[in-house]
Amino acid sequence: QSALTQPASVSGSPGQSITISCTGTSSDVGAYNYVSWYQHHPGKAPKLIIYEVSNRPSGVSNRFSGSKSRNTASLTISGLQDEDETDYYCSSYATSSTYVFGTGTRVTVL
Amino acid sequence: EVQLVESGGGLVRPGGSLRLSCAASDFTFSNAWMNWVRQAPGKGLEWVGRIKRKTDGGTTDYAAPVKGRFTISRDDSYNTLFLQMNSLNAEDTAVYSCVTERAGAFDMWGQGTMVTVSS
Repeated sequence: QSALTQPASVSGSPGQSITISCTGTSSDVGAYNYVSWYQHHPGKAPKLIIYEVSNRPSGVSNRFSGSKSRNTASLTISGLQDEDETDYYCSSYATSSTYVFGTGTRVTVL
Repeated sequence: EVQLVESGGGLVRPGGSLRLSCAASDFTFSNAWMNWVRQAPGKGLEWVGRIKRKTDGGTTDYAAPVKGRFTISRDDSYNTLFLQMNSLNAEDTAVYSCVTERAGAFDMWGQGTMVTVSS
């Protein structure tokens, strides 16, 4: 199972919106609605910010939103803030009862 | 507050074995599907494997790179998750974290324990 493909980096100015893509195949992202997103500050535990494609856990800012089209999922961060600068990973359930993570995206706030 | 605390990491020679533990508290561990996720230095997150709760069969699933070498088990009496790692190689060097699974996502994470495979 190959890692899902994410852009290595995405940047934006404070207040802008950015979108991170997560491209898989018909065996993972395209097959299931179990796509999730994680915010990961290095040295800390990753934080779940989106589950089941577009649902936000309690306490997660509504500036984070998720969507999916065919084999590609997307995370949009609106109203970009300095604190959003860190790494983001997607994940998807896949065939054979496995999971696969994305390659990770570093978000930079300009 | 939910806590997941991993232990057992360290330095091991190629071909060696290591057993990691994850002590869980402040949630009903026996009801949880539990996973191990690792992150090699400078690399991204990688799913290692999962064990379902006993009422769902307690079955395990593994990522291809570790299948046949790693074994996940649990002791619900002690709220503890285990990862037995055999035939270790340099590519297994990583921080290993235990994680709960809910609704197809990983919702609670431990801080992780470092495993270094080197001669």
